[in-house]
Amino acid sequence: AQSVTQLGSHVSVSEGALVLLRCNYSSSVPPYLFWYVQYPNQGLQLLLKYTTGATLVKGINGFEAEFKKSETSFHLTKPSAHMSDAAEYFCAVSDHSTSYDKVIFGPGTSLSVIP
Amino acid sequence: EPEVTQTPSHQVTQMGQEVILRCVPISNHLYFYWYRQILGQKVEFLVSFYNNEISEKSEIFDDQFSVERPDGSNFTLKIRSTKLEDSAMYFCASVPGLASTGELFFGEGSRLTVL
Repeated sequence: AQSVTQLGSHVSVSEGALVLLRCNYSSSVPPYLFWYVQYPNQGLQLLLKYTTGATLVKGINGFEAEFKKSETSFHLTKPSAHMSDAAEYFCAVSDHSTSYDKVIFGPGTSLSVIP
Repeated sequence: EPEVTQTPSHQVTQMGQEVILRCVPISNHLYFYWYRQILGQKVEFLVSFYNNEISEKSEIFDDQFSVERPDGSNFTLKIRSTKLEDSAMYFCASVPGLASTGELFFGEGSRLTVL
């Protein structure tokens, strides 16, 4: 069974500082991995995804993530935080070994950006 | 760009009442899902649906819940007798089908408040 852990339920960074949100996964098969962002009172928006191929994936709004199989990690980074990045971030894993996809979400990390 | 639409955006109901949440998945998608997010908590899988039957359901999806696709376009979640703890945001999602990249396409959510 798949699972996702996110270290740090809340992360606070200064505007312009590096953003690092940690995600570790457990999967019995090569995983598909995702980061979703949720702004206050809104739905889930896909930031980026890893399926196969290049392990460094780039997403929207300047975010990127690197798949490290040896560490079972998929950490999300952004070189310079912006006030508009304040939101809830969810890492997720999909088991595609069955005939359908079921995405399992991590507990989420709330990102605050300090001016 | 095609999108998943959900109605209502917000519903307030009395405990014990029946609620139906509606979703219109993207037209050529074949797999459908409901997820739930209690305020401030993680996004939890409820049920997946394919070929007019449930593929998988979580332990949250008890006998009070049901899903159906009555007319080939709508995908509904019914809660037969709502409880206070059913208050949450409910997200509908869809996937094109086999050989997809595992990315779920989410609607904006329906917020259910049970009083």
